[in-house]
Amino acid sequence: QQQVKQSPQSLIVQKGGISIINCAYENTAFDYFPWYQQFPGKGPALLIAIRPDVSEKKEGRFTISFNKSAKQFSLHIMDSQPGDSATYFCAARRGNTGKLIFGQGTTLQVKP
Amino acid sequence: DGGITQSPKYLFRKEGQNVTLSCEQNLNHDAMYWYRQDPGQGLRLIYYSQIVNDFQKGDIAEGYSVSREKKESFPLTVTSAQKNPTAFYLCASSASGTRGFVQYFGPGTRLTVT
Repeated sequence: QQQVKQSPQSLIVQKGGISIINCAYENTAFDYFPWYQQFPGKGPALLIAIRPDVSEKKEGRFTISFNKSAKQFSLHIMDSQPGDSATYFCAARRGNTGKLIFGQGTTLQVKP
Repeated sequence: DGGITQSPKYLFRKEGQNVTLSCEQNLNHDAMYWYRQDPGQGLRLIYYSQIVNDFQKGDIAEGYSVSREKKESFPLTVTSAQKNPTAFYLCASSASGTRGFVQYFGPGTRLTVT
């Protein structure tokens, strides 16, 4: 019940294409759903986040879609660029503790 | 510059030795966290602290210990009891209460034990 399942494990997209990464959760007590971007050898950095009372949030080329009834959320990267090549983690926050539960990560490669 | 610093970036130890990883933040955050990252397994929480002089075990605390004597510092000791200590270790911090949604991460320490 505390898990966040992320797919796919790896993704290859052509430059200019759309990258889509999906996450699913079980615990309805989660109250915040961030996505982190991590480059090799670096710490993760917050990319975009959403609360469960919102169905979609867009920031530039990055969009989170949130389906509360299905307990699923996804990251869409429009017009993917080689500089977007990184590992992406979804996460869910346990409201009463502030702790984040992370998905397993998706390694994205954008080919020029 | 505000942020989180972790040192050293790379650390090598012999099996059976304890080793301490440093984490310092100047963001004035109350909460601090330690994660372990292994390939294909995401980030797993080792310990976290929501206030000075208090900390709680995370999901994989066995073989690790922490202290929180100062607000800005949260060192992690990897003890000889940790069966598979080679990993990438990440420290994070966040504000508390309703502002505490965003966790900011340090650059990480890669520990290799042989």
